Amino acid sequence: GQQLNQSPQSMFIQEGEDVSMNCTSSSIFNTWLWYKQDPGEGPVLLIALYKAGELTSNGRLTAQFGITRKDSFLNISASIPSDVGIYFCAGQLQDFYNAGNNRKLIWGLGTSLAVNP
Amino acid sequence: DGGITQSPKYLFRKEGQNVTLSCEQNLNHDAMYWYRQDPGQGLRLIYYSQIVNDFQKGDIAEGYSVSREKKESFPLTVTSAQKNPTAFYLCASKGRTATGLAKNEQFFGPGTRLTVL
Repeated sequence: GQQLNQSPQSMFIQEGEDVSMNCTSSSIFNTWLWYKQDPGEGPVLLIALYKAGELTSNGRLTAQFGITRKDSFLNISASIPSDVGIYFCAGQLQDFYNAGNNRKLIWGLGTSLAVNP
Repeated sequence: DGGITQSPKYLFRKEGQNVTLSCEQNLNHDAMYWYRQDPGQGLRLIYYSQIVNDFQKGDIAEGYSVSREKKESFPLTVTSAQKNPTAFYLCASKGRTATGLAKNEQFFGPGTRLTVL
């Protein structure tokens, strides 16, 4: 199946630092979603983006839907130890020819974040 | 409380046995999904269902089967034909807006870790 290009693959930062990660694709998306997964748990939705250029915040998290509709980024400001986990991006394709693609999400492989207190 | 439940959290089976994983949601969501997660491989779609009594294969359906007899329930059977069934299995569901439009945000259960001995 298709995958999003998510980077970086992993990050190790000091508490208090800002974090930035992004997802890119060669295809056009009409939705970008950002999730966080703690070990042994299901992913939890952080931010949903539906419009090109949209910038949305959720506490210390900020995400943007790229103008080209082919990318998105997630920023975390002033990181704390509980930010540790794996962050996934997911997108919904804009597919006018295959309705099935409009019912499934395309996923990145995740960014593993470690925070040193 | 509304949500998605998966049971059991941990499951052990002998090689060659079929096993059924439970997924129940009380969110009144129409669509439900099953994903498999292996270390470093992100989420891969096994099966999905848009409505009761209907379901479609995802990217890695071989060796799996599903049913959708009730809106609330979407059980996954891992058959003996699945060559490498040990993995973390995640169930998700997706709802609609107040005006009936499909939303793209999927919400996940806590997952079931299946180990085949």
